Amino acid sequence: EVELVESGGGLVKPGGSLRLSCAASGFTFSSYSMNWVRQAPGKGLEWVSSISSSGSYIYYADSVKGRFTISRDNVKNSLDLQMNSLRVEDTAVYYCARAHEGRAVAGNDYWGQGTLVTVSS
Amino acid sequence: QSALTQPASVSGSPGQSITISCTGTSSDVGGHDYVSWYQQHPGKAPKLMIYDVSNRPSGVSNRFSGSKSANTASLTISGLRAEDEADYYCSSYTSSSTFVFGGGTKLTVL
Repeated sequence: EVELVESGGGLVKPGGSLRLSCAASGFTFSSYSMNWVRQAPGKGLEWVSSISSSGSYIYYADSVKGRFTISRDNVKNSLDLQMNSLRVEDTAVYYCARAHEGRAVAGNDYWGQGTLVTVSS
Repeated sequence: QSALTQPASVSGSPGQSITISCTGTSSDVGGHDYVSWYQQHPGKAPKLMIYDVSNRPSGVSNRFSGSKSANTASLTISGLRAEDEADYYCSSYTSSSTFVFGGGTKLTVL
């Protein structure tokens, strides 16, 4: 059974840093592109970042470019999101999601339960 | 990366059909056949309902269908059921190799 479990969320002050992790199991992790998607409280979904199966191709939303770094470890079956220079507007539930059929463009077919990041002084 | 445009809300009675539109530009919806649709119930993670404009993942009811014309994609739900009441989001791949979501549509089953 495919499972994605996020961790690392919490309360952080503006300007601070946080590292999110996503542990994957139940599928061949190294064959799938992965994504981070966030959802601010009471708001819609926002794509944050994508990484190809090998880690060679990485993309970011303009809103996080230069502050967030996505990475993966295909041996440990894990996906990370390093978040620096956090802003109040980064407050959201962050979801780790698997690309359907391994193709980044084909939507996300499995999602974690999400981890809440709160940026507040 | 402006969000795709969706109606804030739609409603329908059980058994009826409804359509949710998702309007973008030639750089996203109109330029690629990579539109996805998600269903999200309160407090839950999104669920993929449609990918590549009109394809259904295994296990998704055939009451859900997708289409696209120019810069507008559409999700149609036929034979509405109470359990279809949820938020629906469209998403598109863009010419910048990024992704953009719509603002979401709240579906109410009357």
